[in-house]
Amino acid sequence: GAGVSQSPSNKVTEKGKDVELRCDPISGHTALYWYRQRLGQGLEFLIYFQGNSAPDKSGLPSDRFSAERTGESVSTLTIQRTQQEDSAVYLCASSLVPAGGGTDTQYFGPGTRLTVL
Amino acid sequence: GQQLNQSPQSMFIQEGEDVSMNCTSSSIFNTWLWYKQDPGEGPVLLIALYKAGELTSNGRLTAQFGITRKDSFLNISASIPSDVGIYFCAGEGAQKLVFGQGTRLTINP
Repeated sequence: GAGVSQSPSNKVTEKGKDVELRCDPISGHTALYWYRQRLGQGLEFLIYFQGNSAPDKSGLPSDRFSAERTGESVSTLTIQRTQQEDSAVYLCASSLVPAGGGTDTQYFGPGTRLTVL
Repeated sequence: GQQLNQSPQSMFIQEGEDVSMNCTSSSIFNTWLWYKQDPGEGPVLLIALYKAGELTSNGRLTAQFGITRKDSFLNISASIPSDVGIYFCAGEGAQKLVFGQGTRLTINP
């Protein structure tokens, strides 16, 4: 498809279990972002990947959260030992990076709704 | 995490009315963005503002980037039913977006 895709669309898990969320960015987009959106709230930045540079992890809320990206393609966000406060929609976005630096428009996927029981 | 202050949190209007919402921040941003989010979807970019004082239109939407670079407003004229949704402002800095809490727009036909 032409847009950012995420899977699964919904995930229900039990407290203490690990979960993996997947993001397929738009082909050719070198920048990839993960955000968390709690119910009725705006989006919170989690992590940013840009090419082969070290990712910006400054938004990860705890060491239970980690993310990886394979080259300039798929990314997975892993949450270990899930807690109820992790329940949220996790959104992925990708963008081009202009040759002169800076960033371009971020295109968002539909998100994964995570419910921790 | 850091968030922008967006108001109002919700609006209930009649079809055809104009809408105005705004965002303020204690920090300066080089770019201000306005997004709309429909249920079950990710946000979609409506308008991007790159210069302080810039006024930009996109159809019935008009947005301005404040002179101080710490605020922005979005106006929607002559609202229609498909304008229903949640509108977010976002400031861009250091390759990251900081979002407002959103304005939920409901339109009575």
